[in-house]
Amino acid sequence: ILNVEQSPQSLHVQEGDSTNFTCSFPSSNFYALHWYRWETAKSPEALFVMTLNGDEKKKGRISATLNTKEGYSYLYIKGSQPEDSATYLCAFLSGGYNKLIFGAGTRLAVHP
Amino acid sequence: ETGVTQTPRHLVMGMTNKKSLKCEQHLGHNAMYWYKQSAKKPLELMFVYSLEERVENNSVPSRFSPECPNSSHLFLHLHTLQPEDSALYLCASSQESPRGPTSEKLFFGSGTQLSVL
Repeated sequence: ILNVEQSPQSLHVQEGDSTNFTCSFPSSNFYALHWYRWETAKSPEALFVMTLNGDEKKKGRISATLNTKEGYSYLYIKGSQPEDSATYLCAFLSGGYNKLIFGAGTRLAVHP
Repeated sequence: ETGVTQTPRHLVMGMTNKKSLKCEQHLGHNAMYWYKQSAKKPLELMFVYSLEERVENNSVPSRFSPECPNSSHLFLHLHTLQPEDSALYLCASSQESPRGPTSEKLFFGSGTQLSVL
């Protein structure tokens, strides 16, 4: 059974704080790692798709790193804003299984 | 209209009812998915259609019946559901390669919030 763990489950920060959270996944048969942002009452939206060990991706104030050998990815948000409040999902794609396995998400609340 | 559209947004049904969820994508993708989001659980893959053929159903109960008449439309037919089937049902699409797994991102609809009484 493929298991994807995300931590923490939820996070409350003040506007302007920088924050990060973790996605852990199986280190064998890795194919890709996805990050999605899911705002309340909206659709999940893809942030990054990462495929290579050591990958670093950036989109505005949000960035992500990938370590496939130890099976983890970090998502960083620099200078959090209230509009960053959302649930952040990671999803693991195994070369053997062929479909995305999602973690339970990290719920971020940024307070003004 | 662009993206992935799901209807209805909300649905309340009794255990003896028959209803259908609809999904339409305007992105030219060749794969469509049904996911289930239960409270405090990860998104669970229910069905995948790639190139209009069902490739996986993950042992979903037969009271859920998918239909994919063409690459742009996907339905989930519901009958004799149970209260534990109450959840958010999300549709997604992507551009998949028939040769194997890809790293293409999913595009999601806004979901149908289903309540079974």
